[in-house]
Amino acid sequence: EADIYQTPRYLVIGTGKKITLECSQTMGHDKMYWYQQDPGMELHLIHYSYGVNSTEKGDLSSESTVSRIRTEHFPLTLESARPSHTSQYLCASSEFGTGMGETQYFGPGTRLLVL
Amino acid sequence: QKEVEQNSGPLSVPEGAIASLNCTYSDRGSQSFFWYRQYSGKSPELIMSIYSNGDKEDGRFTAQLNKASQYVSLLIRDSQPSDSATYLCAVISNFNKFYFGSGTKLNVKP
Repeated sequence: EADIYQTPRYLVIGTGKKITLECSQTMGHDKMYWYQQDPGMELHLIHYSYGVNSTEKGDLSSESTVSRIRTEHFPLTLESARPSHTSQYLCASSEFGTGMGETQYFGPGTRLLVL
Repeated sequence: QKEVEQNSGPLSVPEGAIASLNCTYSDRGSQSFFWYRQYSGKSPELIMSIYSNGDKEDGRFTAQLNKASQYVSLLIRDSQPSDSATYLCAVISNFNKFYFGSGTKLNVKP
């Protein structure tokens, strides 16, 4: 099982501010993901990475950016927060399992409220 | 067409009953299948994975896979109020992409 951490857990911030949501995992997983999820709604993939210096946009258009300079760290940045960015942001990581496919493990999430 | 389809529910069952959750997927080449549980306001947690046709049992949970019908299900025996949550089906497609369904909300009534 993965140990995956997200900070902050809750963030209330004003419009126009720059924010970075942190995600770290200690299992050496190559793949990491960011999902956005509104209450009671489905997960939307916004970014993913298959390794260091590899980042891709997901299925949901997002104004956020990500970086992957170290295997264990996958921060997400919003240059100018807006109320439409209010949501829960979930980070996940996975590795290839031998003959068993990939299993994603999730961090606890960051709840963002932009005023 | 979505890659993974689930009935959004809510599915209501009485305590002690069997809850049956269903999922269909569109990519016939998919090889790996997962069930996650998500409590309100929390992150998804893995319940079970299944890779071969047939049944896989883990405690009160049984996952069933039928690749010919592109169908995967989760049975919860002796349902408890603590099982009330949203259950997400997930699939790794033939192109090695991970897809989540929109989830089925389960209510277990005492």
